[in-house]
Amino acid sequence: TQLLEQSPQFLSIQEGENLTVYCNSSSVFSSLQWYRQEPGEGPVLLVTVVTGGEVKKLKRLTFQFGDARKDSSLHITAAQPGDTGLYLCAGDTNAGKSTFGDGTTLTVKP
Amino acid sequence: EAQVTQNPRYLITVTGKKLTVTCSQNMNHEYMSWYRQDPGLGLRQIYYSMNVEVTDKGDVPEGYKVSRKEKRNFPLILESPSPNQTSLYFCASSSRQGYYGYTFGSGTRLTVV
Repeated sequence: TQLLEQSPQFLSIQEGENLTVYCNSSSVFSSLQWYRQEPGEGPVLLVTVVTGGEVKKLKRLTFQFGDARKDSSLHITAAQPGDTGLYLCAGDTNAGKSTFGDGTTLTVKP
Repeated sequence: EAQVTQNPRYLITVTGKKLTVTCSQNMNHEYMSWYRQDPGLGLRQIYYSMNVEVTDKGDVPEGYKVSRKEKRNFPLILESPSPNQTSLYFCASSSRQGYYGYTFGSGTRLTVV
């Protein structure tokens, strides 16, 4: 079983601050995704990264895939209260299996 | 609208009474998968299917069955539910697993008493 360690587990910041969430593994993944999940709802895909060293930007969110395709980070610039939620990373093998991190609960205070 | 539809949304049942949670997608995706989500344990993969008639075990398959007789449907079957299967269940699909991400259903909250 591949493991994805996500950190921090909880993060509480003030509006306007920057933050970074990390996702680390000893396993190599064919792709890695980041999701956001609201309570009681299914995760919603934010981004997929597939190439080692890849960087993708989605407005104030920046996603990076490690060169060895074992780790990833999510950086949010100038966080807003609307960014509050549970952020999940997930890694895929091309054999069909997927592994999720335990999530980071982000709270952005006005 | 492109979506993954799970039914029922909520279910309370008794130990040992067989049940099926349905999952259907309208995006012609080849790959489908089931997960359970428990507090402190995150999302764990139960079974997945790379295509019609092809299914494989995920990390926590014990007590569950699946079938993939047609591309759009991927039901999850609990032959004899037990209280430790009380959980929030999600179905997901992808057009190309390992390259594109997943579209998730809204979830099924199952309670086994």
